[in-house]
Amino acid sequence: DARVTQTPRDKVTEMGQEVTMRCQPILGHNTVFWYRQTMMQGLELLAYFRNRAPLDDSGMPKDRFSAEMPDATLATLKIQPSEPRDSAVYFCASGLVGGDTQYFGPGTRLTVL
Amino acid sequence: GNSVTQMEGPVTLSEEAFLTINCTYTATGYPSLFWYVQYPGEGLQLLLKATKADDKGSNKGFEATYRKETTSFHLEKGSVQVSDSAVYFCALSGGTSGTYKYIFGTGTRLKVLA
Repeated sequence: DARVTQTPRDKVTEMGQEVTMRCQPILGHNTVFWYRQTMMQGLELLAYFRNRAPLDDSGMPKDRFSAEMPDATLATLKIQPSEPRDSAVYFCASGLVGGDTQYFGPGTRLTVL
Repeated sequence: GNSVTQMEGPVTLSEEAFLTINCTYTATGYPSLFWYVQYPGEGLQLLLKATKADDKGSNKGFEATYRKETTSFHLEKGSVQVSDSAVYFCALSGGTSGTYKYIFGTGTRLKVLA
């Protein structure tokens, strides 16, 4: 049963620290999405990759957030420096180009103190 | 722009009750419509989808019909179980949002009591 995996599942850090979240998409999937979920804003799309190339990062705060896909099996989302308002659950999802279904990972719960 | 509106929760039902969660959308073009479910501590899972008008998506006893005339995609289940307790998200993709970009509703929390 192929699944999207995310690490870490939980992260508590202090304001100003760098945070790196990792995602392994389903093998063979060529699209990757990063979402942020908060009570106030709901689900927000942060970034979208197709064949490892970033096509849409308009939802991502550019000054502190960065997203990359070093290879087809790994996507990373970094926050530097982190702030308390970044506290949220961050989801990665993957899919296929031309497909309309996204498969979500279990999420990383980030708490910035 | 495209948008999705869901009924506010929480919705609390007794086991075996009938469930309806309303979802309406605004979109130009011909979007695909989805229901995702999120169980506590987990990511979102696709529950069902419909890609064109009058299509009915169904899975695990849940159903939703793509109604273009009323721009709706209401989720229904005839007899809910305690294990159905979760948050349900209506979403659309396509239309003018582009095929990859989902627009999610705010989610509706369902609690089923034994």
